[in-house]
Formats: sequence, structure tokens, C-alpha cells
Amino acid sequence: GAVVSQHPSWVICKSGTSVKIECRSLDFQATTMFWYRQFPKQSLMLMATSNEGSKATYEQGVEKDKFLINHASLTLSTLTVTSAHPEDSSFYICSAPAGSRNIQYFGAGTRLSVL
Amino acid sequence: KQEVTQIPAALSVPEGENLVLNCSFTDSAIYNLQWFRQDPGKGLTSLLLIQSSQREQTSGRLNASLDKSSGRSTLYIAASQPGDSATYLCAVKGAGNMLTFGGGTRLMVKP
Repeated sequence: GAVVSQHPSWVICKSGTSVKIECRSLDFQATTMFWYRQFPKQSLMLMATSNEGSKATYEQGVEKDKFLINHASLTLSTLTVTSAHPEDSSFYICSAPAGSRNIQYFGAGTRLSVL
Repeated sequence: KQEVTQIPAALSVPEGENLVLNCSFTDSAIYNLQWFRQDPGKGLTSLLLIQSSQREQTSGRLNASLDKSSGRSTLYIAASQPGDSATYLCAVKGAGNMLTFGGGTRLMVKP
């Protein structure tokens, strides 16, 4: 099946710094990628839809100026958490649809801990 | 807005039992339904995908059914093993390739 690579897998940062998370489709092109956030013992919540060559679409309640998404190529989407605070600590997962049935393939996730 | 509910939220069973996990969704206009497994601190592993036109899918000891009209799906795990311990998530795909996830069922299979 298709492979989605997410990097880094774990990041610890100080409050106020910015963190960039990368999501790559390794063997297919993805015009659309999805970013999810998962708090402990909760399910995945869609944050935004990343669109190659255009602006991302954010879900209600997600601050677009805080969670910057860039989808500059057909194989890479990045999520930048700007001025991170402890409440941003979470598990962030990206996905991309592939194949004729548009099956979603997920990255391994990034655990963000903001001190 | 699509809402997905999973019951039970947690389940603990002895090894060898057959078990059923339930998933319900409010909007029957879906393209497909997918069951995932998530180990603690890890990403998602796709287990089974059922297209909206299908009734069930099987893979090894796993069988998933879909009743789109009633907004329900079940994941049946036969002869459970300790290695099956994980969180199981169901997700439905609507317009725009977007997935809506249920809250998950945390399964513990005791040796």
C-alpha cells in the first residue's frame, strides 16, 4: 500500500517557540492531505485540509494563524505550530488519500510536548 | 454534521473470546467506512475498509459489517489474543475525502 511518512515522531519544545511537522507521501502524489489532532484518550479530530497550491481549509475552532499549513508540492505538506503553548501538547497525525478508492493512509504521528 | 459513536468505550476480555465492537453514524450518506487499530502512542493501522455498496469485509480473524441504512457497523474479532489489545477506531468517509472518527474502543485481552 501507499506510504505516508511523518517527521519528527516526537518533539519537545519550550513555550513560545514554533514547531514544524512534515507529512510526505512517499510513493504517490497527494493533492489533498489532512491534519488531525488527538488528545490523550480521545479520538482524532480533523484540524484542517491541506490543498496543494492553494490555501488550507480549517475546521471550526482551529486558529489558522496559529497552525500554519503549507502544501507546496504534491508530496509534502507541513504543519507549523506557531508560538506553541502547553495546551498545544498533543498527538498530531496526517493522512493522504491514494488509489482509485481514495483510501486514507496515515503517517505515524508526531507527539508534541510543550514545556 | 456527521457524528460517529463507538460502543463500548472500553472492553476487557479473557483470551480466546469472540467479541463485537460497535460503531454508529448519524448521516447515512457515506462513501465508505474504515476500521483502524491504534497502539498507544502510535499512528493508525487500517484493518478493513467497507465501501458503501458492500455489506461486509473479512481479513483473517476480523470481520466487519456495514448497514448503511441504519447507520451501523460492527467489527467482529474471533478468538481474541493478547496481541489484539489496542484502541479500535471506526471512521466514515463523507464528501471531500474527509474522515469522521468515532471515539474508539479500548480493548484489553488478558492472557
